Amino acid sequence: GAVVSQHPSWVICKSGTSVKIECRSLDFQATTMFWYRQFPKQSLMLMATSNEGSKATYEQGVEKDKFLINHASLTLSTLTVTSAHPEDSSFYICSARGTGGFIYEQYFGPGTRLTVT
Amino acid sequence: GENVEQHPSTLSVQEGDSAVIKCTYSDSASNYFPWYKQELGKRPQLIIDIRSNVGEKKDQRIAVTLNKTAKHFSLHITETQPEDSAVYFCAASGSNTGKLIFGQGTTLQVKP
Repeated sequence: GAVVSQHPSWVICKSGTSVKIECRSLDFQATTMFWYRQFPKQSLMLMATSNEGSKATYEQGVEKDKFLINHASLTLSTLTVTSAHPEDSSFYICSARGTGGFIYEQYFGPGTRLTVT
Repeated sequence: GENVEQHPSTLSVQEGDSAVIKCTYSDSASNYFPWYKQELGKRPQLIIDIRSNVGEKKDQRIAVTLNKTAKHFSLHITETQPEDSAVYFCAASGSNTGKLIFGQGTTLQVKP
């Protein structure tokens, strides 16, 4: 149980275009989803916290107009990187927290490798 | 803001030896401390966690200790094996949002 998927697993896009990444909880309902970015050989940096039906909370320094997050249902959150630039190339990982059980436990998706050319 | 410091950044041990990774957190309200193992290009895998009401927890070759007074927690791996080679991250969480703040990571190399 507690499976989280992401789609796509990797994507290459041209500078200036937008890319959407989906994060789904497959066998549980996720009231909260988190989006992280990980550059090569670095740690996971929390970008935003996404709650179903409400606006995402962004971490300091993360541009909310550039990284659009939508959490429209209890099983799906999306991250859209708008007007992507090469410096946005990174590994984007989501995680989800369930409605029951231990509130701090997060289940991670497999990540999406974004390359902007 | 919240911060988690992790040391060392790299650790090389001989197979069979023990490995210890240490973390310090800044937010005294933190009450959940997970450890993750991440292999290249893959998602972090939870290997052990500890809550603030416990000082130590063990699972086979892996143990975690927590000192809330000093705001330190540590990962101990005994009888290391080459397949333990990976990047290990500590994290801390304490807000009601459940968000995790990660340490910088430790690259563990276990030499056969």
